[in-house]
Order: sequence, then C-alpha cells, then structure tokens
Amino acid sequence: QVQLQESGPGLVKPSETLSLTCTVSGGSISSYYWNWIRQPAGKGLEWIGRIYSSGSTNYNPSLKSRVTMSVDTSKNQFSLKLRSMTAADTGVYYCARESNSGYYQPFDYWGQGTLVTVSS
Amino acid sequence: DIQMTQSPSSLSASVGDRVTITCQASQDISNYLNWYQQKPGKAPKLLIYDTSNLEIGVPPRFSGSGSGTDFSFTISSLQPEDIATYYCQQYDNLPFTFGPGTKVDIK
Repeated sequence: QVQLQESGPGLVKPSETLSLTCTVSGGSISSYYWNWIRQPAGKGLEWIGRIYSSGSTNYNPSLKSRVTMSVDTSKNQFSLKLRSMTAADTGVYYCARESNSGYYQPFDYWGQGTLVTVSS
Repeated sequence: DIQMTQSPSSLSASVGDRVTITCQASQDISNYLNWYQQKPGKAPKLLIYDTSNLEIGVPPRFSGSGSGTDFSFTISSLQPEDIATYYCQQYDNLPFTFGPGTKVDIK
C-alpha cells in the first residue's frame, strides 16, 4: 500500500521560504507524477504544481514565480519550496500521487497533510 | 484557467435520501472530471474518476455522470458515514482546478 507523509516546519515567518518534503513508502517514486496541493483553513483546494520522477515540473501560474519542486529518487522523496511566504499562504499542504504516468491523472494517494502557519 | 463551480454549496438530507451535486466547468473538459470526498481533518479521497468510474473499494451508492461542461455526482442512499465535503476536479488542462466544494450533512 503506497503511503505519503509530509514533513517540514509548521511555522514560517513572513517573507521566508517554506520547505516541505513528501516521503513515499510502499512503492517506488519512479514513473509517476507527484503533486502538491494546499487548502487554507475552511476553504477549498488549490493545486500548487507537480513533478515527474525524472525531475520535469509543471507549476500553477498563480504561484510559479515563488515555487520550486525537486525530487530525490534515491530517498523516494520529493520536495516543495515556496518563497516569500505571507499570511495568505497559511493552510494545510498535501502531497499526492497521480494514478499513473499517462497524460494527466486523478490523485489516487494523498498524504495526511501538514498545517503551515505564516506568522512572526 | 478552467473555473469549476458546484451547487449547492451545502445540503442537508435524511439517511436513505438520494443526493445529487452538480459541477460545471467554464469550458469543455470532455470527461476529465474527478470527484473527491473530504472528511473533517482528513485528506481528500478519490471516489470517482473520468466522470463515472468508481475507484476500487468505493461503495456503488456513489455515481457520476456528464460530459463537456456539465457533470453530476449522486449518492443513491445517503449514509451517516457520507457526511463530508465533496469536490469536483478537472484534469483536462493545467493548472488542475477544483470546485469550491459541497458540504453534505444529515438532517
């Protein structure tokens, strides 16, 4: 059974950079797209971007100037960096897998989510 | 970006009732539409993919239909464990976008 687990600081200061890692267990990170999705408290879901196991990326244009994703296949991990954090970036951050390596796919496995608060 | 709308934003129904949620895309997305269930404090769970295909292990009381810009999601007989917020999501084009959600409650 594939499992995803987000890790990273729960508190980030304004203007600083958020760094999150998603560790994949129970399966290989290879040959899949891996996504980051966030959810402000009490609100809906926003797709941040995705990375393929080869390292190719697609980002949401609304966040593209601040986002960098990377993958470490040796550790079965992928990561998110979001720069210049503001209070509007506060919320739960999820990592998720697309169901197979085809064009675009549904998100079939999700991490439990990690709450990130932006505050001084 | 493709905008997704859902209605209603919330509903309250009795156990055993048939519940239907609609989702509309701002442009033709063919059948590239998924439905997720999110319970409080939990990650979303994929229920239906490609408009009408039930994910493995999902009870058959859940179903989906539609194409193009108009889609619907139905719970044929609402159960207490179905209390959740339901989101549609398009994956025809990047960026992937979600509907605002429909909160389902028991009357």
